[in-house]
Amino acid sequence: DAKTTQPPSMDCAEGRAANLPCNHSTISGNEYVYWYRQIHSQGPQYIIHGLKNNETNEMASLIITEDRKSSTLILPHATLRDTAVYYCIVRGNSGGSNYKLTFGKGTLLTVNP
Amino acid sequence: NAGVMQNPRHLVRRRGQEARLRCSPMKGHSHVYWYRQLPEEGLKFMVYLQKENIIDESGMPKERFSAEFPKEGPSILRIQQVVRGDSAAYFCASSPLAGSGTDTQYFGPGTRLTVL
Repeated sequence: DAKTTQPPSMDCAEGRAANLPCNHSTISGNEYVYWYRQIHSQGPQYIIHGLKNNETNEMASLIITEDRKSSTLILPHATLRDTAVYYCIVRGNSGGSNYKLTFGKGTLLTVNP
Repeated sequence: NAGVMQNPRHLVRRRGQEARLRCSPMKGHSHVYWYRQLPEEGLKFMVYLQKENIIDESGMPKERFSAEFPKEGPSILRIQQVVRGDSAAYFCASSPLAGSGTDTQYFGPGTRLTVL
């Protein structure tokens, strides 16, 4: 699976959009970009995933660049409860051990009042 | 629809005792994954199971650790003769499909094991 690079920490004001970047320059054509978050002492929570097109759900939006070498997770109106470590994970589509999620250090997002 | 359930949430064991961690996957999910998170570290894959089958246990220590997912009942992660280094948070995840890259894994709240 491709390696991802994320900033170690970010701050965001409550009510503003939080934009979390992720670089995955070695991603291959059949690999998906997944985002999870882990609020302190809780289990990882699935947020969103995508392949090529931008995706949106009730939690967030995922913007993937045209060359697929980077992506941005957008929380449109951050709240204090969004303070968490956010993980960007690249997963293969088939074959091998693509079911193994590889968690890096992620980005600690702190939402400030 | 209930999420992934794990119990106990907290488990304290003395060195040399056995620890049994249970995981009930989401309804309709037949694929279970166990991950371990050591203090101040990221989650690491341990084992992938389907009903009555261990598919991949490459991330599990060769000794003292075992996992099962019987036809009936929860998945069990068993740690024999625990040592202080086993103290960690153990998370279970489940997915509905055949373990491909596109099926989403949903995590439980974890079991925090403390070895005295």
